[in-house]
Amino acid sequence: DIQLTQSPSTLSASVGDRVTITCRANQNIGRWLAWYQQKPGKAPDLLIYKASSLESGVPSRFSGTGSGTEFTLTIDSLQPDDFSTYYCQQYDTYSGTFGEGTKVEIK
Amino acid sequence: QVQLVQSGTEVKKPGASVKVSCKASGYPFSDYALHWVRQAPGQTFELMGWINPGSGNTRSSQKFQGRVTITRDTSASTVYMEMSSLRSEDTALYYCARQKRNGYVFFDFWGQGTLVTVSS
Repeated sequence: DIQLTQSPSTLSASVGDRVTITCRANQNIGRWLAWYQQKPGKAPDLLIYKASSLESGVPSRFSGTGSGTEFTLTIDSLQPDDFSTYYCQQYDTYSGTFGEGTKVEIK
Repeated sequence: QVQLVQSGTEVKKPGASVKVSCKASGYPFSDYALHWVRQAPGQTFELMGWINPGSGNTRSSQKFQGRVTITRDTSASTVYMEMSSLRSEDTALYYCARQKRNGYVFFDFWGQGTLVTVSS
């Protein structure tokens, strides 16, 4: 099974900060990686797919990079609405697995 | 607009079964695979299985094979997930989620989640 390791597990930041979250896979997954944002008590929202493609309607301050085994999600100029938990997910034709999540909290 | 609306909270005893529904609207029901994904308290997400609403073909993750049945009612644009032999470890939020593209299992729309609590 493909396992994803996110770091850090918790991140403290301030409004306006640039924030980077890392997701590492234990084997090569090409660019088949998505990022989601989840707010407490809500379902996740898709932010990024295929490592760097921005989902429609998602603000351009969110960006994704990477391929193979290492990926990053960057939030430029953190906004109050961005304090949430972020998950990466690797996927293929039939299934996928999620990382353990990174909680972005207010410093 | 695309919506996935799930049935309400369930409380079950160990050994019982539960059936959760997910009604889709705002898009052609048969055109997108629908998945069931669960999230135990404080945990990450776990893919359980999916259905092609057009053909009715299903596939379950190995962990849930034999215990989870996914079905659909095309006339009602609704998919169902039934899980049997419930145990306390099955306590979780259960989501249905729409697969964004054929051949790539990631999700662009999610239901609101159904809390299933298994407790004696």
